Amino acid sequence: GAGVSQSPRYKVAKRGQDVALRCDPISGHVSLFWYQQALGQGPEFLTYFQNEAQLDKSGLPSDRFFAERPEGSVSTLKIQRTQQEDSAVYLCASSPGLAGASSSYNEQFFGPGTRLTVL
Amino acid sequence: AQSVAQPEDQVNVAEGNPLTVKCTYSVSGNPYLFWYVQYPNRGLQFLLKYITGDNLVKGSYGFEAEFNKSQTSFHLKKPSALVSDSALYFCAVRDSNYQLIWGAGTKLIIKP
Repeated sequence: GAGVSQSPRYKVAKRGQDVALRCDPISGHVSLFWYQQALGQGPEFLTYFQNEAQLDKSGLPSDRFFAERPEGSVSTLKIQRTQQEDSAVYLCASSPGLAGASSSYNEQFFGPGTRLTVL
Repeated sequence: AQSVAQPEDQVNVAEGNPLTVKCTYSVSGNPYLFWYVQYPNRGLQFLLKYITGDNLVKGSYGFEAEFNKSQTSFHLKKPSALVSDSALYFCAVRDSNYQLIWGAGTKLIIKP
């Protein structure tokens, strides 16, 4: 497909388990974002990649969260030793341009999200 | 601090009537403003954006939004609502760098 895809769509983990969430952005998109969306809230920024470089990880809530995009396309968000407060929908978005560019700002294209439930 | 407020948790409109979903913002510098829609079990979909230029911005599915600098608002509007417009709507503002700051969302319910 032409859109952003994420897998798995749903993930149930026991507290303390490690999880890995995958994002396939639109082909050729330079920028990739991860967001966390709690129930009834808007998305909260987690991290940003420009190609393979992670330029901003200021939104990651703890050192249990780790993201990578080694070849500048697919990205993985890993959460170690999951806690109940990690339960949320994790959204991935990609954008064709460089975020922060002074030129016309491109909108972000979102995947359907991964709903993580930690028991 | 930069922020976005959507003062209404839910908006109810009869089909065929005009609708407005409110958004106000607080940013330093020029605001870049966005509206997204979220249908159940689907990703956020871009509706429209204001970067510069005309205060009235037209977007997807017949939606438009009016940028009002003096009132720091960017309300979403549609002249005639459809039942299929029922969804969750998010307003967002780009901060001084590139991060999107999001409102909490407004649930729009269109009744036949």
